[in-house]
Amino acid sequence: SQTIHQWPATLVQPVGSPLSLECTVEGTSNPNLYWYRQAAGRGLQLLFYSVGIGQISSEVPQNLSASRPQDRQFILSSKKLLLSDSGFYLCAWSVLTNQPQHFGDGTRLSIL
Amino acid sequence: DQQVKQNSPSLSVQEGRISILNCDYTNSMFDYFLWYKKYPAEGPTFLISISSIKDKNEDGRFTVFLNKSAKHLSLHIVPSQPGDSAVYFCAASSTGNQFYFGTGTSLTVIP
Repeated sequence: SQTIHQWPATLVQPVGSPLSLECTVEGTSNPNLYWYRQAAGRGLQLLFYSVGIGQISSEVPQNLSASRPQDRQFILSSKKLLLSDSGFYLCAWSVLTNQPQHFGDGTRLSIL
Repeated sequence: DQQVKQNSPSLSVQEGRISILNCDYTNSMFDYFLWYKKYPAEGPTFLISISSIKDKNEDGRFTVFLNKSAKHLSLHIVPSQPGDSAVYFCAASSTGNQFYFGTGTSLTVIP
């Protein structure tokens, strides 16, 4: 069966520090991969998605970037975190577009 | 701009009764809709979906209704069980990759 791993579960970082969140999927090949953020009181907002290695689409301009160095690995990064980057970050995968997305357990990121 | 709205932040229901969670959307191009369930400290779990060619989809105790003219989606849980207590998100898409999520409704089923 397919599983998705996302870590760390919680992270506290100072303003201006770098960020790297990693997500890996097991049990499937060539999945579509997604990064979402949920800010307090808001719905999930799609940040990036990828349909293949090295292919990244960005949905909103921001201080973050994403990379897909391997088929089942998706990384969310920032060179310098801002206070506004605080939130709950979720990685997800799907078999195809317009199919249900399956989520990891998320990372709670707090910026101090 | 919130294209998918869940106007009720919370809902309490007695065990065994029906739970009805509502969702409204503004984009008439949306053609695929999903409901997710989320427990604390976990990611959302896919529950049920419906495409715009249908107006109802049923899976066990869960039924999703779609009213395209009203741009309204609802999830019915019958009978409600204490284990159903969670936050429920609706989501909608017109392109497949870009899903728009509501802010969630916290359901409490009282034993």
